[in-house]
Amino acid sequence: SQQGEEDPQALSIQEGENATMNCSYKTSINNLQWYRQNSGRGLVHLILIRSNEREKHSGRLRVTLDTSKKSSSLLITASRAADTASYFCATDPQGKLIFGQGTELSVKP
Amino acid sequence: GAGVSQSPSNKVTEKGKDVELRCDPISGHTALYWYRQSLGQGLEFLIYFQGNSAPDKSGLPSDRFSAERTGGSVSTLTIQRTQQEDSAVYLCASSPDRPGGNTIYFGEGSWLTVV
Repeated sequence: SQQGEEDPQALSIQEGENATMNCSYKTSINNLQWYRQNSGRGLVHLILIRSNEREKHSGRLRVTLDTSKKSSSLLITASRAADTASYFCATDPQGKLIFGQGTELSVKP
Repeated sequence: GAGVSQSPSNKVTEKGKDVELRCDPISGHTALYWYRQSLGQGLEFLIYFQGNSAPDKSGLPSDRFSAERTGGSVSTLTIQRTQQEDSAVYLCASSPDRPGGNTIYFGEGSWLTVV
């Protein structure tokens, strides 16, 4: 079974709005990472948050981590059409990186 | 090369044939992963190589699937007697070390279509 599960599966917003995606996981982690994928090709790393961190920022991205609830959220502020992509969280149980099912984000101009 | 390189980028094969997919990781990266992604789905873990340790093969879906990593660098994923359900993008990724504190870097994938 998947370690990480994203919610929602799909999200459609207007340009300029904020987009929030959530990830839940099952076992304890050392770190949690978020990746982006365009058009079914290779994934690109966005941000890594360690288990002892609660929040991290990178440009328009904000990631939170709640280890007590085993959940993380990715917030994209002031979204742009170019942010349209699939977003995946990934955790590292047992030394390997396992991805969730992803959230498909569509930002309409 | 500068990034993870995969070949072929696209492969169409007949059901029952064997296929080999190749991955050249970033130079010096000790960890190498293979994932499979069916259309519109998430990434399914297949196999993980870390240095000289025995690979973690726990994600391989059947004994038709195997992978090797020669000299700690190039990896080949082999699918024997391909079936239509094997049609997917096969993604390779590499990392400098264990993923716990490291980003992993993906190739562009090999699209496999079994007809």
